[in-house]
Amino acid sequence: GAVVSQHPSWVICKSGTSVKIECRSLDFQATTMFWYRQFPKQSLMLMATSNEGSKATYEQGVEKDKFLINHASLTLSTLTVTSAHPEDSSFYICSALGYLLRTDTQYFGPGTRLTVL
Amino acid sequence: AQTVTQSQPEMSVQEAETVTLSCTYDTSESDYYLFWYKQPPSRQMILVIRQEAYKQQNATENRFSVNFQKAAKSFSLKISDSQLGDAAMYFCAYRRRNTDKLIFGTGTRLQVFP
Repeated sequence: GAVVSQHPSWVICKSGTSVKIECRSLDFQATTMFWYRQFPKQSLMLMATSNEGSKATYEQGVEKDKFLINHASLTLSTLTVTSAHPEDSSFYICSALGYLLRTDTQYFGPGTRLTVL
Repeated sequence: AQTVTQSQPEMSVQEAETVTLSCTYDTSESDYYLFWYKQPPSRQMILVIRQEAYKQQNATENRFSVNFQKAAKSFSLKISDSQLGDAAMYFCAYRRRNTDKLIFGTGTRLQVFP
């Protein structure tokens, strides 16, 4: 149980284009999902908290107009990187908050590697 | 603000031996959760173990156990009978009760030698 998928697993795009990354909880419903960014050999940096049916909450320093988050259903959240630039190249990881075994825990997707040329 | 510190950037252990990864945290809260996550080369984050601060008993999951010292704000992970598949980055994380956000440490890279 508690499987989270991400699609695509990797993507290469040209500078100035937009890229959408999907995060799905496959066997549980998640009212809350999270989006992280991870640079090589570094820890995870929380970008935003995504709540089903409401606007995402962005961390300080994260441009909400650049990183659009939509949590349209209890199993799907999307992150759209708009007008991507080479500095947006990174590893993006989502997680979903699951209530399994009567405890709440974040379960992580496998990540998406974004390369902007 | 809460912070999580992992002072060991890298650790190594021989197969079948025991290794302990350190983690300290800073918080003024009394009710919170602590986690250890594993990130193997595939980059998939995997929950290893979880500890509720109100529980005095240390959490255990098979070969993984923690030493939770609340007064010292220390939360170390012990891996017994290390296996080659244990090689990964290990992240310690903190979450305050009634919030969903995780605060991660900088990670410890564990190498396992045959």
